[in-house]
Amino acid sequence: QKEVEQNSGPLSVPEGAIASLNCTYSDRGSQSFFWYRQYSGKSPELIMFIYSNGDKEDGRFTAQLNKASQYVSLLIRDSQPSDSATYLCAVNGRQLTFGSGTQLTVLP
Amino acid sequence: EADIYQTPRYLVIGTGKKITLECSQTMGHDKMYWYQQDPGMELHLIHYSYGVNSTEKGDLSSESTVSRIRTEHFPLTLESARPSHTSQYLCASSASGANVLTFGAGSRLTVL
Repeated sequence: QKEVEQNSGPLSVPEGAIASLNCTYSDRGSQSFFWYRQYSGKSPELIMFIYSNGDKEDGRFTAQLNKASQYVSLLIRDSQPSDSATYLCAVNGRQLTFGSGTQLTVLP
Repeated sequence: EADIYQTPRYLVIGTGKKITLECSQTMGHDKMYWYQQDPGMELHLIHYSYGVNSTEKGDLSSESTVSRIRTEHFPLTLESARPSHTSQYLCASSASGANVLTFGAGSRLTVL
């Protein structure tokens, strides 16, 4: 079993809809969780991170943690075509471990 | 402006050549990392450093080597490049006690 798993997609949503991205992790001791966005041909950039003590909202983005089920989700409200990218989940264990990413396409 | 810089951005080189990918950061971060990423594939950690004169191998075995003589500089070297080394190499850094990574723009290496 991979340490961090994501559905590779592609996930397509219409403009203005809510995009929901999920990530499961295997290390129950993980304390911090990160979402990065990577445009094609570019390097990853941090969107937001949360600690094990709660969810977080930042503008159109909300990160939620379900510790019991060991998954993290990223919700993107009012999705825009500019949100089309690969979204990488990363979990902080012994090292920061990245998932393989979910490709999101927002259709105009 | 504090940032992380990688050079060269693109490199095409013949088999057997020695190459060094440069990475420098002006953020005062103690931790630095090298990741390898093939197109459309996941990031693989190949080297990391938590400070000067400290380097460790990552999860993905790599024939490359790194050095950390100065806090801001973390170069990666391939003594003899092979076509299997063709990939994108991403350098990143983070502050001590945090794992919020800032990535450089990447170095895309093609070995013919």
